[in-house]
Amino acid sequence: QLQLRESGPGLVRPSETLSLTCSVFGDPTDSSSYYWAWIRQPPGKGLEWIGSVYFTGSTSYNPSLKSRVTISLDTSKNQFSLNLNSVTAADTAVYYCARSIFGIVETKESTTDFDYWGQGVLVTVSS
Amino acid sequence: DIHMTQSPSTLSASVGDRVTITCRASQSINTWLAWYQQKPGKAPKLLIYKASSLQTGVPSRFSGSGSGTEFTLTINSLQPDDFATYYCQQCYSSVTFGQGTKVEIK
Repeated sequence: QLQLRESGPGLVRPSETLSLTCSVFGDPTDSSSYYWAWIRQPPGKGLEWIGSVYFTGSTSYNPSLKSRVTISLDTSKNQFSLNLNSVTAADTAVYYCARSIFGIVETKESTTDFDYWGQGVLVTVSS
Repeated sequence: DIHMTQSPSTLSASVGDRVTITCRASQSINTWLAWYQQKPGKAPKLLIYKASSLQTGVPSRFSGSGSGTEFTLTINSLQPDDFATYYCQQCYSSVTFGQGTKVEIK
């Protein structure tokens, strides 16, 4: 059974960089069938996709966060990571990592739906 | 950006009821739509993908329909375990979620 587990600091200072790692158990991250994704949810609010990474290293990001986000994949460790820089209080959220099904959407390779999720980790941005 | 709008935002229902949630896209997304269920303090769970395909292990009382810009999630004979918040999600262009529909006990 596939399991994903987020790890990283629960508190980040404003203007600094939020860094999280997702460890994947039970499935290789170098599969061509999946993307690996980060999604967040501010307390009491809805879901926001941050971005996804493919085993080739190809990435796709939410346009509203693209200037601040880097997602990378380390297939040797079966992990992928999120870096979000210049954080503010608005970045306070539960951060989830997830597996996304690879799809061809209108002739383009794309991340599609998210079938396995980690339990989530709360990251608070505060001084 | 494609904007997803769910209605209603909150729905009060009783065990055994048939429940329908609507999701509208700001432009056509073909059938690139998924539905998720989320309970408090838990990660979302995939219910439906490609608008109408039931994810493995999801009870058959859940069904999805629609294409283009209008989609529905139907729960036939609502069970106690179904009281939760439901989200739609498009992946036709980037990825965006609806704002959520909370199904609460009447």
